[in-house]
Amino acid sequence: QVTLKESGPGILQPSQTLSLTCTFSGFSLSTYGMGVGWIRQPSGKGLEWLANIWWDDDKYYNPSLKNRLTISKDTSNNQAFLKITNVDTADTATYYCARILIWEGFDYWGQGVMVTVSS
Amino acid sequence: NTVMTQSPTSMFTSVGDRVTMSCKASQNVGINVGWYQQKTGQSPKRLIYWASNRDTGVPDRFTGSGSGTDFTLTISNMQAEDPAIYYCLQHNSYPTFGAGTKLELK
Repeated sequence: QVTLKESGPGILQPSQTLSLTCTFSGFSLSTYGMGVGWIRQPSGKGLEWLANIWWDDDKYYNPSLKNRLTISKDTSNNQAFLKITNVDTADTATYYCARILIWEGFDYWGQGVMVTVSS
Repeated sequence: NTVMTQSPTSMFTSVGDRVTMSCKASQNVGINVGWYQQKTGQSPKRLIYWASNRDTGVPDRFTGSGSGTDFTLTISNMQAEDPAIYYCLQHNSYPTFGAGTKLELK
């Protein structure tokens, strides 16, 4: 079955770079039509899409954050990554990764990882 | 970007009620819309894809409809396990979520 699990630093300071890892099973990011996306949710607030990466290494970013985001993948180890540079308190949130099927949107989601940005 | 406007923001309902919530897109998104249920402390779970297709294992009391700019999620017979926040998502262009409809029991 498809599973995804996020991991991250837990807490970091303003201006640092946030590095997140999504480790998944049950599918391959080398398969046509497969992708992984990152979505975040501040506590008590709604969902915000951040970035997608596809089987062919195409990458798409939320325009409002594009300059700070880098998404990548390691197909051999079934992992996807997201880096967010120059974080501040507004980046405090639960970060989710999710599988995407082309034209179908996000189907399976990870449990999420909480990230706190605090000095 | 495509803005997804959900209404109502919140609603109270009773077990057995028929519940309808709306999602309006700021531009035509075809049928590239999904509906997600998020219970407290959990990650979102997709219920509906392509506007009206139920995901495997989703009870048939959940029905999605619509195309273009107007979409609806209906719960035909509210159950005690259905209170949650429901989000719509469009993925016709870069993905955007609605702000959610919080569904609670009276």
